Amino acid sequence: RKEVEQDPGPFNVPEGATVAFNCTYSNSASQSFFWYRQDCRKEPKLLMSVYSSGNEDGRFTAQLNRASQYISLLIRDSKLSDSATYLCVVNRAPPYGNNRLAFGKGNQVVVIP
Amino acid sequence: EAQVTQNPRYLITVTGKKLTVTCSQNMNHEYMSWYRQDPGLGLRQIYYSMNVEVTDKGDVPEGYKVSRKEKRNFPLILESPSPNQTSLYFCASTPAGTVPNEQFFGPGTRLTVL
Repeated sequence: RKEVEQDPGPFNVPEGATVAFNCTYSNSASQSFFWYRQDCRKEPKLLMSVYSSGNEDGRFTAQLNRASQYISLLIRDSKLSDSATYLCVVNRAPPYGNNRLAFGKGNQVVVIP
Repeated sequence: EAQVTQNPRYLITVTGKKLTVTCSQNMNHEYMSWYRQDPGLGLRQIYYSMNVEVTDKGDVPEGYKVSRKEKRNFPLILESPSPNQTSLYFCASTPAGTVPNEQFFGPGTRLTVL
């Protein structure tokens, strides 16, 4: 099983709609989870960290399910500017060091007018 | 402005011609990494450095070298590039901490080896 798995999509979303996708991770000892956004051929940028209690930032909501080992991202009221690839990132548990991260391949979101 | 810079941004070279991609950060971060990104694959770590003069292999270190003589700089060296090293390369930095912090990525270097 891969460390981090994501359905690459693309997810074609009408403007204004809601889209959600999950990411599964293999190591139950992982403690830190993130969503990064990557625009085409540009550098990834942190979108949000994912906390155990779930967290929300404007139209974006992230959830963590430790029992089933997945994290989710939900985007409400999609904007054209949300079109990007969303990378799921998980810290690798020991014996890896603290800042060793595993990246998913990303969920590609295309918001359609 | 807090940033990570990489040079060059684009490079086309030939097999066997040594090259260096520079990376510099102005945030006084202890931790720096190099990643490569290829179609259909996630970001894969090449090398990382936890501080000056402390470097270690990541997941795909073959064919690469690094050095960390100063805190702000972390160059990636390809002694004898081959076509399978054609890729998009990102340098990243992050402060040290007990939990992983936000990674700050450079703008990327698109390398083509003919």
